[in-house]
Amino acid sequence: NAGVTQTPKFRVLKTGQSMTLLCAQDMNHEYMYWYRQDPGMGLRLIHYSVGEGTTAKGEVPDGYNVSRLKKQNFLLGLESAAPSQTSVYFCASSYSWVKGQNTGELFFGEGSRLTVL
Amino acid sequence: GDSVTQMEGPVTLSEEAFLTINCTYTATGYPSLFWYVQYPGEGLQLLLKATKADDKGSNKGFEATYRKETTSFHLEKGSVQVSDSAVYFCALHPFYNQGGKLIFGQGTELSVKP
Repeated sequence: NAGVTQTPKFRVLKTGQSMTLLCAQDMNHEYMYWYRQDPGMGLRLIHYSVGEGTTAKGEVPDGYNVSRLKKQNFLLGLESAAPSQTSVYFCASSYSWVKGQNTGELFFGEGSRLTVL
Repeated sequence: GDSVTQMEGPVTLSEEAFLTINCTYTATGYPSLFWYVQYPGEGLQLLLKATKADDKGSNKGFEATYRKETTSFHLEKGSVQVSDSAVYFCALHPFYNQGGKLIFGQGTELSVKP
């Protein structure tokens, strides 16, 4: 009963270091998303994917890259971390909206807390 | 562009008090509206939804009515419990959007004291 799993859950980086956050879902969802959560700003969409091999930019994509090589995985990369990227990152997945399967529910992971010093 | 505005928190209530968390939106056409809840240390989970005007979503004693005339989707509960302490997010899905991207409000933290 895993749902959406994010790794790692906590990470501390120095400015300029790189890292990758991994999101895995076992619900056979078409769509996957990466959000960041900051105090007073709610959730902001970084990148999303509507299917294997496809990605698209969200509201705040700068400084991040993503890949969706397999349907069940969605990776978020930081090539050169900056203190402004200190945040809690949430991965989510959902059924396809186009195919009419979606009831509006996004399924979220538990979050990954990243601190950039 | 489309947006969601929620009342600022934190909101602190005593157990069994009445809860209202205001949410208003700006959107083209008829979006779908949602309330998500985030318990401490967890990810967000769907609480309730409404997909057209005058629909009422309800779950776990919470209710919200889609009001097109006032562009609002306020969350209410008649008697809150300590276990309701969480952050509540109002969100919308634009009717024209095919990417499944939800637009979230900033969140309202609720703290219920015994």
